[in-house]
Order: sequence, then structure tokens, then C-alpha cells
Amino acid sequence: DIQMTQSPSSLSASVGDRVTITCQASQDISKFLNWYQQKPGKAPNLLIYDASNLETGVPSRFSGSGSGTDFTLTISSLQPEDFATYYCQHYNNLPITFGQGTRLEIK
Amino acid sequence: EVQLVQSGAEVKKPGESLRISCKVSGNTFTTYWISWVRQMPGKGLEWMGRIDPSDSYTNYSPSFQGHITISADKSISTAYLQWSSLQASDTAMYYCARHLGGSSGVVFDYWGQGTLVTVSS
Repeated sequence: DIQMTQSPSSLSASVGDRVTITCQASQDISKFLNWYQQKPGKAPNLLIYDASNLETGVPSRFSGSGSGTDFTLTISSLQPEDFATYYCQHYNNLPITFGQGTRLEIK
Repeated sequence: EVQLVQSGAEVKKPGESLRISCKVSGNTFTTYWISWVRQMPGKGLEWMGRIDPSDSYTNYSPSFQGHITISADKSISTAYLQWSSLQASDTAMYYCARHLGGSSGVVFDYWGQGTLVTVSS
């Protein structure tokens, strides 16, 4: 199985901050990487697909980059509604696996 | 409008069987695969397996193979996740999610609202 390692596991930031979350795959996954946001008590929501493509309806302050084994999710200017947990997910092969999550908290 | 609507919360005893459901609206049931994802209390997301509703072909994660069964009834646009003998460790929230097949990759663009399963004696 491909292991997905996110860092940091948790992060405190303020409204307006620029935030970067990283995701590292245990082997080359090309661009087959998605990012999701999950708020407490809710299902995950797709933000970025194929490493860098913004899902329709997702604010442009979210962006993704990377290929191979190293990926990043960047939020350019944090808004109050962005405080949530973020997960990466690969689909290079089966089984599909997710990162352990990054919890973004208000400082 | 696409919606994945899951069945309600369940409370079961160890050893009991259970089937939960995910009904898909929007006339797209046989176009998309349906996956099931587990989230244990306070933990992350785990992919369990998936089904192609057009022919009921399934894939399972090795971590769940043999413990769960995924099925679908395309006549009512519903996918199922089933256990024959629940364990306390099956206590979790379970989500269904859809994705296209083939070269489109496994991108979960719509999710169900989740079904909470509690297994306790």
C-alpha cells in the first residue's frame, strides 16, 4: 500500500494568514492526488483534484501543487470558514489511501 | 441535483449482522463507482472498497477484505455495505462517495451524509 504522510498534523493560524500543508507519498504517484476539507460532523468536501485543479465552486484562495511524491495545499488568506481538517488522498493504484489529516485551528 | 442519501444511525450488538445503504439520485447511478469510507471516532479516513453499479464488480481494501460485502441494486439506484458479524471495532461513521471510472481517476466529488454505526454489548 502507498503511505500518505501529511505535515503538520495540526496547525494554529490566524485569519488572513497564508498556510501550507504538505503531503508526501511513499512512492511516485505522478499527479494522482486529491485534497479534501472536512468540518466537524460533516462529510469531506473535494477541494483540489489531480494535484492542482480547483474543484468547481471552491474559492480561489485554495491551490495545490506537486507531482511524484511531494505535494502541497496552500490557502492564500485564511478565512474563518477554513478552520477544518484537511486530507490528501492518492489514486495511483488500489488500495486508495488518505493522509492522516491536518487539523487547522484558530490561533 | 446529485445526492447520495444514506440510511440512518444503527446501534447493534457484537456478532449481529447489518446492512447500510446509500441511495443515489440524479439518474447517474450506473455511470459512477460507489466507494465506502470509514472514519473511526476522532480518526482519519479509510477507504474500504468500491462497486461499479453497472455490473456489480467490486474491489476491496486488503484491510477490509473478508469482513465486509459491498453490493448494489441498480433498479433502485442504491449501494449497500454489509457485515455478517459486527465487532466493537466496527464502531465508526461510514460514508459513501462516488467517482468516475477509467482514466478520470478516483476523485470523490459527491459524498453521502454518513451513517453512524455503534456496536456495543
